[in-house]
Amino acid sequence: GAGVSQSPSNKVTEKGKDVELRCDPISGHTALYWYRQSLGQGLEFLIYFQGNSAPDKSGLPSDRFSAERTGGSVSTLTIQRTQQEDSAVYLCASSLDRGAVTDTQYFGPGTRLTVL
Amino acid sequence: AQRVTQPEKLLSVFKGAPVELKCNYSYSGSPELFWYVQYSRQRLQLLLRHISRESIKGFTADLNKGETSFHLKKPFAQEEDSAMYYCALSGGKGQNFVFGPGTRLSVLP
Repeated sequence: GAGVSQSPSNKVTEKGKDVELRCDPISGHTALYWYRQSLGQGLEFLIYFQGNSAPDKSGLPSDRFSAERTGGSVSTLTIQRTQQEDSAVYLCASSLDRGAVTDTQYFGPGTRLTVL
Repeated sequence: AQRVTQPEKLLSVFKGAPVELKCNYSYSGSPELFWYVQYSRQRLQLLLRHISRESIKGFTADLNKGETSFHLKKPFAQEEDSAMYYCALSGGKGQNFVFGPGTRLSVLP
């Protein structure tokens, strides 16, 4: 089957606008992660969904950022009132998370967000 | 708090030379350590994990709990090894991941 997909691949928006980024994980994967990759920076953890548990939102940088995962599958990351510093590549990853140890994360191609 | 450091932003070596990408971590419990790699124009992907104790593409990494390190090593670098390498830590199943800032490896001909 297909890997993790993300849409759009590129998004250019104006400062102050809201944006929605979508992630389709691999079918059957219960865990889903969002990361932000800024130029010259590493991967910054944003949010983690695991099955029906409450998501770990500890990485969200401000209350302008939110994410949801509907039906345990597709996830949407929403950034409200975008700022120029939000410009980055947003990566989504999913994993099977069975057993006692952490499973491999499979990454999507990312969405490159540019805020003008 | 969980933290992963990779002291080198860029590492350049000549083809055939040994390479070591450094990774140090801070974590109060027993972490799971990983190396992820991103080749040019490709997705980020798992290279290896300490639990598996395997060698992938000639790379190995040993978890040293005393030094809190998980350095990635390869005895003879190849040009196709040029990529961005990220060390990552997880507290275990159900825990989030922390990635290091990454090291860009450039293998020169």
